[in-house]
Amino acid sequence: QVRLVESGGGVVQPGGSLRLSCASSGFDFSIYGMHWVRQAPGKGLEWMTFIRYDGSRKYYGDSVKGRFTVSKDNSENTLYLQMNSLTTEDTAVYYCAKDPGFGEFPGSPDYWGQGTLVTVSS
Amino acid sequence: SYELTQPPSVSVSPGQTARITCSGDALSKKFACWYQQKSGQAPLLVIYEDSERPSGIPERFSGSSSGTMATLTISGAQVDDEGDYYCYSTDRRGNQGIFGPGTKVTVL
Repeated sequence: QVRLVESGGGVVQPGGSLRLSCASSGFDFSIYGMHWVRQAPGKGLEWMTFIRYDGSRKYYGDSVKGRFTVSKDNSENTLYLQMNSLTTEDTAVYYCAKDPGFGEFPGSPDYWGQGTLVTVSS
Repeated sequence: SYELTQPPSVSVSPGQTARITCSGDALSKKFACWYQQKSGQAPLLVIYEDSERPSGIPERFSGSSSGTMATLTISGAQVDDEGDYYCYSTDRRGNQGIFGPGTKVTVL
């Protein structure tokens, strides 16, 4: 079955950087796009970014554009999120999620990991 | 920026029908989907492409869309259906995902 496991979360100071990973199994990672979605404590879901199955297209939400970079290693079945210039407003649980298709544009995420908590605090 | 609108809360008695709406200008051209999230858990897809139900999701969950509004209906709601429900779609260009603010469903 589809399995997504995020890692790399933790405590980081404002202005710092962090890289999250999402290890996948149970499906052909190389032919599906992937998303990152986050949820601040007590708040709703926020879509952050989508990467096409082959990594050739990437789209970002306005709140992370220019600071966060998504990448995908199909040989390792792993999705990454490089986060720079972090602020306290980036404190959240970060989820990776599988896209249902291999199109150029984001679809509706169908399978989700359990998330990893990122806390930005001095 | 583009937004989706949902009611903050919906309350129903067990066995009754709960309806959650999601409004957005682009919904007349873009599909909506719906997620259920229980406390401390990851979101679960319950409806995709406006009205399709993933395998394993109970038949009491259904979706529809008309004009700029999508609707999630829970027919014969059960206590186990309590949680937060989020609609999701994409912006007009289709290259950014958007979640609604979420609706808290209470069954009591």
